[in-house]
Amino acid sequence: DAKTTQPPSMDCAEGRAANLPCNHSTISGNEYVYWYRQIHSQGPQYIIHGLKNNETNEMASLIITEDRKSSTLILPHATLRDTAVYYCIVRSSNSGGSNYKLTFGKGTLLTVNP
Amino acid sequence: KAGVTQTPRYLIKTRGQQVTLSCSPISGHRSVSWYQQTPGQGLQFLFEYFSETQRNKGNFPGRFSGRQFSNSRSEMNVSTLELGDSALYLCLGTRDNNEQFFGPGTRLTVL
Repeated sequence: DAKTTQPPSMDCAEGRAANLPCNHSTISGNEYVYWYRQIHSQGPQYIIHGLKNNETNEMASLIITEDRKSSTLILPHATLRDTAVYYCIVRSSNSGGSNYKLTFGKGTLLTVNP
Repeated sequence: KAGVTQTPRYLIKTRGQQVTLSCSPISGHRSVSWYQQTPGQGLQFLFEYFSETQRNKGNFPGRFSGRQFSNSRSEMNVSTLELGDSALYLCLGTRDNNEQFFGPGTRLTVL
């Protein structure tokens, strides 16, 4: 898996949009971008993933640049419960259902302030 | 949303003992991976199973082993436990549409 670079921490005001950046300049053509978050010592929670098009689900939006070297996770209306460590990772496309190894960096600690 | 279950949720063992952890992915998760998470090392890949076969393996000693059953359920074993094996052990299931979900984890404490 390619490496990713994220800021170690970010703050966001409650109710505002949280924009979390991620650089993945060595991503290859068949690698997806995945975002997870982890609250306290619970298991990481899947948020969203994408290949090259922007994606949106009930939790967040994922904006991937045209050259795919960076992406931004957007939480449109952050709440206090969104305070967590957010991980951006890249992994190979699902070939025959195989997972391949995920390499997690240190992630971004997002703190949502009241 | 996920529904991946892991048992037990908490476990306390002593050095030298062995432990078996279980993961039941949800329907459609054909691939199951295991990860170890510690404060110092973060999330580290243990191994991945697909169709009852180990497809990928991380850099852990042979004391760590696993298997997958025909219903996709997976177990991992750690023998001759060491203090450093204390960690949160996470199971990850993957669907064919590339959605991936972690289980809640098993917190193992080795005394």
